[in-house]
Amino acid sequence: AQSVTQPDIHITVSEGASLELRCNYSYGATPYLFWYVQSPGQGLQLLLKYFSGDTLVQGIKGFEAEFKRSQSSFNLRKPSVHWSDAAEYFCAVVGLQGAQKLVFGQGTRLTINP
Amino acid sequence: KAGVTQTPRYLIKTRGQQVTLSCSPISGHRSVSWYQQTPGQGLQFLFEYFSETQRNKGNFPGRFSGRQFSNSRSEMNVSTLELGDSALYLCASSQDLAGGPQLAKNIQYFGAGTRLSVL
Repeated sequence: AQSVTQPDIHITVSEGASLELRCNYSYGATPYLFWYVQSPGQGLQLLLKYFSGDTLVQGIKGFEAEFKRSQSSFNLRKPSVHWSDAAEYFCAVVGLQGAQKLVFGQGTRLTINP
Repeated sequence: KAGVTQTPRYLIKTRGQQVTLSCSPISGHRSVSWYQQTPGQGLQFLFEYFSETQRNKGNFPGRFSGRQFSNSRSEMNVSTLELGDSALYLCASSQDLAGGPQLAKNIQYFGAGTRLSVL
């Protein structure tokens, strides 16, 4: 069964600093991977996705993520964070069997220091 | 296009009652999925509906049920509420462009959720 691990429950960075959120997945084949962001009291917004091809994918709001098969990782990065990036970030995987069932990591809460 | 709409946004119930939550998908989307979000268990898949049929189901007791109407709108119902059912319930819709492995490429778009509190 697929699983996703986000090792960092809470990360604090200063505004303008770079950011990397970690995500490791467990799946027998190449998975489809997603990063979602959730602001307080809101639903989930898709930041980016990886299906195949180029392992570095670009998303909205200046985010990017790199798929590394050898490390079973799909880490999210941003070169310079803004105060508005404070939110909870979720990595998710869906299997290739065709099910519309997203399996989520536990999430990483991002705090931005001014 | 309007996004996924969930109603109501907030709900307070007491133990033993039942509750119905509603989800209107993005226009043209035919698949609707439901997720439960709690601080302890995180985001967990409840079920998915397509063409008025349940296509996938997560590991939740039978007290949790759903349905989908011909216009793709969906409802989920929780009967005999327990304190542990307090959660944010999220609905997501997707276009369902193709079947088989390509189905997994359908991006799910989420609503703002319904916050259920069980007292």
